[in-house]
Amino acid sequence: NAGVTQTPKFQVLKTGQSMTLQCAQDMNHEYMSWYRQDPGMGLRLIHYSVGAGITDQGEVPNGYNVSRSTTEDFPLRLLSAAPSQTSVYFCASSRGQGVDEQFFGPGTRLTVL
Amino acid sequence: AQSVTQLDSQVPVFEEAPVELRCNYSSSVSVYLFWYVQYPNQGLQLLLKYLSGSTLVESINGFEAEFNKSQTSFHLRKPSVHISDTAEYFCAVKTGGSYIPTFGRGTSLIVHP
Repeated sequence: NAGVTQTPKFQVLKTGQSMTLQCAQDMNHEYMSWYRQDPGMGLRLIHYSVGAGITDQGEVPNGYNVSRSTTEDFPLRLLSAAPSQTSVYFCASSRGQGVDEQFFGPGTRLTVL
Repeated sequence: AQSVTQLDSQVPVFEEAPVELRCNYSSSVSVYLFWYVQYPNQGLQLLLKYLSGSTLVESINGFEAEFNKSQTSFHLRKPSVHISDTAEYFCAVKTGGSYIPTFGRGTSLIVHP
């Protein structure tokens, strides 16, 4: 199993550009989520999904869109990048509620100039 | 709603010394508790978790955590640290019906030779 994969590993954008961060998991997990990690801020939840076709907003959703058309994939779209979106982005998945832990991808380091 | 407090943002320690990373949580219902570790430039990975039963939980690399219900704590300890333990450590809590964990802000463990 590859686990949770993310592409690209690094990305530099100019203000106003759009892009999609890819996330895929091969564990048949129902729950997937996107976090951003900034120094001193810990992990902040952007969006999450509890199954194909079902998504919801997390703590910091503004400027980001998601969709979940398959169980495996959960892409994160930046519609018009801003310098405040410079961060490290992590995708995670888990089998379900309660006792199940999160499996994290290796991250995408995004810089917006 | 639940919350997690990691009291120390940074813990410097010398190699072979003992260490304790503190985690306190608040919740009105029963919780499941997790510690995750993030090595430099990597995603988070599960270190250990408490689900039920014995209040002392051990990991394969010598860490242990003790669930203390009366003090609502889940502190992480290791009797003798190695340089390779240098990493960011995150405490997290989930309730039984929740897909979404609540993370603490993380503690950076820095092991000096």
